[in-house]
Amino acid sequence: NAGVTQTPKFQVLKTGQSMTLQCAQDMNHEYMSWYRQDPGMGLRLIHYSVGAGITDQGEVPNGYNVSRSTTEDFPLRLLSAAPSQTSVYFCASSSTGISGNTIYFGEGSWLTVV
Amino acid sequence: TQLLEQSPQFLSIQEGENLTVYCNSSSVFSSLQWYRQEPGEGPVLLVTVVTGGEVKKLKRLTFQFGDARKDSSLHITAAQPGDTGLYLCAGTILRDGGATNKLIFGTGTLLAVQP
Repeated sequence: NAGVTQTPKFQVLKTGQSMTLQCAQDMNHEYMSWYRQDPGMGLRLIHYSVGAGITDQGEVPNGYNVSRSTTEDFPLRLLSAAPSQTSVYFCASSSTGISGNTIYFGEGSWLTVV
Repeated sequence: TQLLEQSPQFLSIQEGENLTVYCNSSSVFSSLQWYRQEPGEGPVLLVTVVTGGEVKKLKRLTFQFGDARKDSSLHITAAQPGDTGLYLCAGTILRDGGATNKLIFGTGTLLAVQP
């Protein structure tokens, strides 16, 4: 079972570079989301989507773009990376409606911006 | 501003001891979940509580949702080294019209159980 797959697992960027973190799920889940995890901060919601073609902002959306052209994929784009975006990024998915439903997380993507 | 505050932030105990982790907020949640995260991995769901005052048990772990649905606790009885990890609470905020689709995480409690 693939579940939620994130790529790449590790990435080093220079300030100002752009990149896309890929996220794919094979469970036909409608809800997908991106979080970043920093020491002492838990996980903070960046963007989320309740279905193909629908995206919305989370707690910390600035500096990140998302799109949801298919049910399976939910890429996260950094248009101009900054050192403050150094973090571990997690993608997650759930069946329709997250309240009370199990959310599945990917294994994380470690991003360093120098 | 963190909507969900967890305490304590760090906890180091001996095998066999009991402990309680707290998750508090000023917001009302439609549901609250507890996760455990190991190094290098994503969080894994332990339990979901939905009803105010609800208590759920998972072996040596007892989870409680506050009556007002603003807080929760996780109690571990006779902790074992295998319980070591980062414990995270997370909730979906209740607003007018029902539950939102935003799952907000707490700050986390790092537990170390020494053999």
